[in-house]
Amino acid sequence: AQSVAQPEDQVNVAEGNPLTVKCTYSVSGNPYLFWYVQYPNRGLQFLLKYITGDNLVKGSYGFEAEFNKSQTSFHLKKPSALVSDSALYFCAVDTGGFKTIFGAGTRLFVKA
Amino acid sequence: DTGVSQDPRHKITKRGQNVTFRCDPISEHNRLYWYRQTLGQGPEFLTYFQNEAQLEKSRLLSDRFSAERPKGSFSTLEIQRTEQGDSAMYLCASSPGRIAGQETQYFGPGTRLLVL
Repeated sequence: AQSVAQPEDQVNVAEGNPLTVKCTYSVSGNPYLFWYVQYPNRGLQFLLKYITGDNLVKGSYGFEAEFNKSQTSFHLKKPSALVSDSALYFCAVDTGGFKTIFGAGTRLFVKA
Repeated sequence: DTGVSQDPRHKITKRGQNVTFRCDPISEHNRLYWYRQTLGQGPEFLTYFQNEAQLEKSRLLSDRFSAERPKGSFSTLEIQRTEQGDSAMYLCASSPGRIAGQETQYFGPGTRLLVL
């Protein structure tokens, strides 16, 4: 069965410092991996995705993620955090079907 | 603005009542998804449409739940005989519908349901 794990409920980082939000996955086929962000009272917004090719994927708002097949991970990163990055982040996986599995989410808090 | 709209944004109802939610996807999108999100959890897949055809339903979708997309455009999600456990955020998303599994989904703002 497909599953996604986000091991940290919350990540705290100071503004200007690098941030990492972790995600690991378990699938039986080739994974398609996504990161979405949710701001208060708004729907989920797409950040980036890995389908195939270069393991380092760049997305919106300066975020990037690295696909690591051996570690089955797809961690979200940003070199310099902003207070406005504070939000709820979801990792998701699909294997080419119609059912996307989301992680439980990680709340990012960036302190000024 | 993602272009997916949902109505209503909030719904308070009494246990046992029926409720219906509407989702209007991005106009050229063929796929439409419904999810349920409870506090502290990620979205859980409920069902999926390709045009007007409902192709998959989660086991979370009990007999009290029904979804339709009659003309392949907007969709409705109905919950009959609501229970307190149905209280959640109901999210709708759409995608172009050309490549299974690889497409970005565009989410609406959600309908927050509270069952008293």
